[in-house]
Amino acid sequence: DSGVTQTPKHLITATGQRVTLRCSPRSGDLSVYWYQQSLDQGLQFLIQYYNGEERAKGNILERFSAQQFPDLHSELNLSSLELGDSALYFCASSLMDGGNSPLHFGNGTRLTVT
Amino acid sequence: AQSVTQLGSHVSVSEGALVLLRCNYSSSVPPYLFWYVQYPNQGLQLLLKYTTGATLVKGINGFEAEFKKSETSFHLTKPSAHMSDAAEYFCAVSDPGSGGGADGLTFGKGTHLIIQP
Repeated sequence: DSGVTQTPKHLITATGQRVTLRCSPRSGDLSVYWYQQSLDQGLQFLIQYYNGEERAKGNILERFSAQQFPDLHSELNLSSLELGDSALYFCASSLMDGGNSPLHFGNGTRLTVT
Repeated sequence: AQSVTQLGSHVSVSEGALVLLRCNYSSSVPPYLFWYVQYPNQGLQLLLKYTTGATLVKGINGFEAEFKKSETSFHLTKPSAHMSDAAEYFCAVSDPGSGGGADGLTFGKGTHLIIQP
């Protein structure tokens, strides 16, 4: 058990809809990362927050947004969903801000857009 | 910019045989290196990491990896494969000079390890 909790585990929704994925980091970790994993793209970094502030942005679409709250949990909002957004979305947390601080991954949210 | 290449999207070995998963990286500075494992329906789990010091790094579940600067490699090995080792393995590289941030961490595309009975 990594200590990172992601909800929900599965999400099925229709194109054009909006969903929110939630992540609670490991106790004591200040950094939260979001990744998208798909068969064709592999593991893609989306965005990182550190202690409530956006720290780094990767291949995140404008239709997607995220935030980290004062209690350090994070939410990833996906809007105007398309079929291609179907993927496994992982949250990870780390104690420090990148560098050699290893990431601890949750079990992911599997999003299916129909 | 840094990159990670994992040779072989699928590797198949017999139970009890040597496991060798290859990882080569490109980086303008000596990097931090990681191997993660992903079991079905689970998130990634850290196997081992190299930051500084001894170039042979031991990890969990009997795995180890050796950092070879001259070859820009960080191959993962295990002397004797077990059925429970079947999983997806990811090599990752982090640039210590990136100033932090996950944009400094790059994952390879992964290698699916298959264990034949």
